[in-house]
Amino acid sequence: NAGVTQTPKFQVLKTGQSMTLQCAQDMNHEYMSWYRQDPGMGLRLIHYSVGAGITDQGEVPNGYNVSRSTTEDFPLRLLSAAPSQTSVYFCASSYFRGASGTQYFGPGTRLLVL
Amino acid sequence: AQKITQTQPGMFVQEKEAVTLDCTYDTSDPSYGLFWYKQPSSGEMIFLIYQGSYDQQNATEGRYSLNFQKARKSANLVISASQLGDSAMYFCAIYSSYKLIFGSGTRLLVRP
Repeated sequence: NAGVTQTPKFQVLKTGQSMTLQCAQDMNHEYMSWYRQDPGMGLRLIHYSVGAGITDQGEVPNGYNVSRSTTEDFPLRLLSAAPSQTSVYFCASSYFRGASGTQYFGPGTRLLVL
Repeated sequence: AQKITQTQPGMFVQEKEAVTLDCTYDTSDPSYGLFWYKQPSSGEMIFLIYQGSYDQQNATEGRYSLNFQKARKSANLVISASQLGDSAMYFCAIYSSYKLIFGSGTRLLVRP
């Protein structure tokens, strides 16, 4: 199993550009989520999905869109990048077992918006 | 809404000693899970230990144990026999209502 994979590992954008961060998992996990981590801070939940076709907002959803057309993939779209979106982005997945699903994290994507 | 509070931004511990990292939480859900993750300087998130809200006994995983005091809403992580490789950021998190919410973390430095 590859686990949770994220691409790209690094990205530099200019203000106003759009891009999609890719996340894929091969563990047949129902639950997937996106987090951002700013320097010296904890992870903040952006969006999550409890299954294909079902998504919902987390703590900091503004400026980001998601969709879940398959169980394996959960892309995160930045519609118009802003410097405030400079961060490290983590994707995670787990079996949807209520409160007991341990989240497995991808390696992260470092994004710099100039 | 759920909330996690970690009040220790940084801590030192001597190698081979035990250390306790504090975590308090708040949620109105009767069913929730508490997690601890380790983030070394390389950046990956490593799962350490899990405690369910209905679990009667404190969780243990090797050198890690979770001191769960439900009435006080605390879920402290205890690391026994600290090793140099334990130097990292440690995050407490609560899962409820489909969301995993993290605290701000504690940076642990293990002194030789």
